Amino acid sequence: GAVVSQHPSRVICKSGTSVKIECRSLDFQATTMFWYRQFPKQSLMLMATSNEGSKATYEQGVEKDKFLINHASLTLSTLTVTSAHPEDSSFYICSARGGGPYGYTFGSGTRLTVV
Amino acid sequence: AQSVTQLDSQVPVFEEAPVELRCNYSSSVSVYLFWYVQYPNQGLQLLLKYLSGSTLVESINGFEAEFNKSQTSFHLRKPSVHISDTAEYFCAVSVRGGSEKLVFGKGTKLTVNP
Repeated sequence: GAVVSQHPSRVICKSGTSVKIECRSLDFQATTMFWYRQFPKQSLMLMATSNEGSKATYEQGVEKDKFLINHASLTLSTLTVTSAHPEDSSFYICSARGGGPYGYTFGSGTRLTVV
Repeated sequence: AQSVTQLDSQVPVFEEAPVELRCNYSSSVSVYLFWYVQYPNQGLQLLLKYLSGSTLVESINGFEAEFNKSQTSFHLRKPSVHISDTAEYFCAVSVRGGSEKLVFGKGTKLTVNP
């Protein structure tokens, strides 16, 4: 079946540094990928929709300059958290559109801790 | 805009008991409906989905959900749960023919006790 690989699974970084998270569709092409943020014991909040070869579409309230999204190929989208601060600590999950009719395949998530 | 309400944040049950996780949605247009399961520190796995056709959909591991348009509900049920069903369950909707964005409920933590 469809598989989405997300790396790293966990990352700890210092405040002020940048962190890149990768999301790869392994056995299908994903023209559209989605990035979500999940706070403890809460639901997933869509941050942005990433389209291959074009600019990402951000949800209201999400800072474009802080959360940089690049979707350079049909199998790879990256999320870079720039100048990270402790409040950016969260669980980030990507999802790729594909793998069957109206199929969304999710990555395993990245636990980001900013210290 | 669409919204999803999962009425129960936590549902504790004993092993082999039946369970129902409730989901109601609000939308002015037709939607697709989904249930996802999330195990600790993992991403989401699709449990089942309703796109069209029969309003009763089933998963391979014994879960089923029924789309009820009049009640705008998509409750998830299982007649006999196992310890391994302990997880967080999310109901989600997306607009038919729309942007493909998923709108999630807040989730229901199902805990199956021995």
